[in-house]
Amino acid sequence: EDQVTQSPEALRLQEGESSSLNCSYTVSGLRGLFWYRQDPGKGPEFLFTLYSAGEEKEKERLKATLTKKESFLHITAPKPEDSATYLCAVQGGSTLGRLYFGRGTQLTVWP
Amino acid sequence: EAQVTQNPRYLITVTGKKLTVTCSQNMNHEYMSWYRQDPGLGLRQIYYSMNVEVTDKGDVPEGYKVSRKEKRNFPLILESPSPNQTSLYFCASSRDHSYEQYFGPGTRLTVT
Repeated sequence: EDQVTQSPEALRLQEGESSSLNCSYTVSGLRGLFWYRQDPGKGPEFLFTLYSAGEEKEKERLKATLTKKESFLHITAPKPEDSATYLCAVQGGSTLGRLYFGRGTQLTVWP
Repeated sequence: EAQVTQNPRYLITVTGKKLTVTCSQNMNHEYMSWYRQDPGLGLRQIYYSMNVEVTDKGDVPEGYKVSRKEKRNFPLILESPSPNQTSLYFCASSRDHSYEQYFGPGTRLTVT
């Protein structure tokens, strides 16, 4: 059973069309939720960390929010260079050091 | 430049031939981890290390070994590789387990 579920699996947006990506988790005792961006053939690149419900972080066109059971990555007025796979990862449960990744949302922004 | 390096970047090998993928970080990070990434399955944790001489299993440790004899290095060892270990492997490090991780460029391994 997946501990972290991301939706949708794939998303196509026209340039300027805002949308949100979802990350829901079942891991108990959340210690941190992380968002990463991954370009094809490269390692994931860190975007945000959220630690508690109600927390929000922003960076350029991206804004991450956290509730008790899910997180959203909002993309405002996206550009083609925002095309990538966005990964959510959760740290929690009984074992320190374990990190659970979702399968990612592949975002394509076309001009 | 702060970075995580992996070698080799690409490797094609045959079943049963022992291999080691090296991982090194220059950020004095305590925590290091190995992942494999497969289409449709996402990133799965293989092993992680909270500090020197402290390692533990992740989701998919079978067929892999690790060691952490010094802070900067965390090699991944496949004693007898099999075709189901064909994958893209990433090493990562962070200040400690609760902070964001920095990933290496990946090692694409093919076992025939």
